[in-house]
Amino acid sequence: DAGVIQSPRHEVTEMGQEVTLRCKPISGHNSLFWYRQTMMRGLELLIYFNNNVPIDDSGMPEDRFSAKMPNASFSTLKIQPSEPRDSAVYFCASGLPSNYGYTFGSGTRLTVV
Amino acid sequence: QKEVEQDPGPLSVPEGAIVSLNCTYSNSAFQYFMWYRQYSRKGPELLMYTYSSGNKEDGRFTAQVDKSSKYISLFIRDSQPSDSATYLCAMRRGNDYKLSFGAGTTVTVRA
Repeated sequence: DAGVIQSPRHEVTEMGQEVTLRCKPISGHNSLFWYRQTMMRGLELLIYFNNNVPIDDSGMPEDRFSAKMPNASFSTLKIQPSEPRDSAVYFCASGLPSNYGYTFGSGTRLTVV
Repeated sequence: QKEVEQDPGPLSVPEGAIVSLNCTYSNSAFQYFMWYRQYSRKGPELLMYTYSSGNKEDGRFTAQVDKSSKYISLFIRDSQPSDSATYLCAMRRGNDYKLSFGAGTTVTVRA
């Protein structure tokens, strides 16, 4: 089991550029989450997918953020245009509804300059 | 007031000491309680979970839940330098997918 795989591990981009973060969940997991972690706000849930369908996107900060899950093995989180305040570590996590908790990927450290 | 409060630390202890970590919460509907460990530059890793009140032991780790006081704890016995990490508590309601996380406590175990 390779776990939840995220790419890239690090991303440095200029303000105004489009950023795409990628996630491959654990095979068989039908719940997928995108989180953002900052020192100030801790871990924040951005969006939750169940069976590839977005169930709760209330945590997506603005229209600049969008997420897709075209199939059970792939999801993207896109920021367009990016801003310096988007700098954070973005985590993808997957699991099953019966799980107590979820498995996190290693994260993408995004820096917007 | 945050739904889950966790002492931010940091906590520095000598090797072999007992580490005690705590969280309090306000939502009495929480039923599932978890502790995650997060090493530097890594994602959170599920360490322990418990359902409702009671204790659970796994090796050097013990998780306690006191629902009457809305208080959960994690104890690490015989702490090792490899236990140096940030520990986050998390909890959720019975049929809810949302995890409510504490802010995390950073622990350093000195060799």
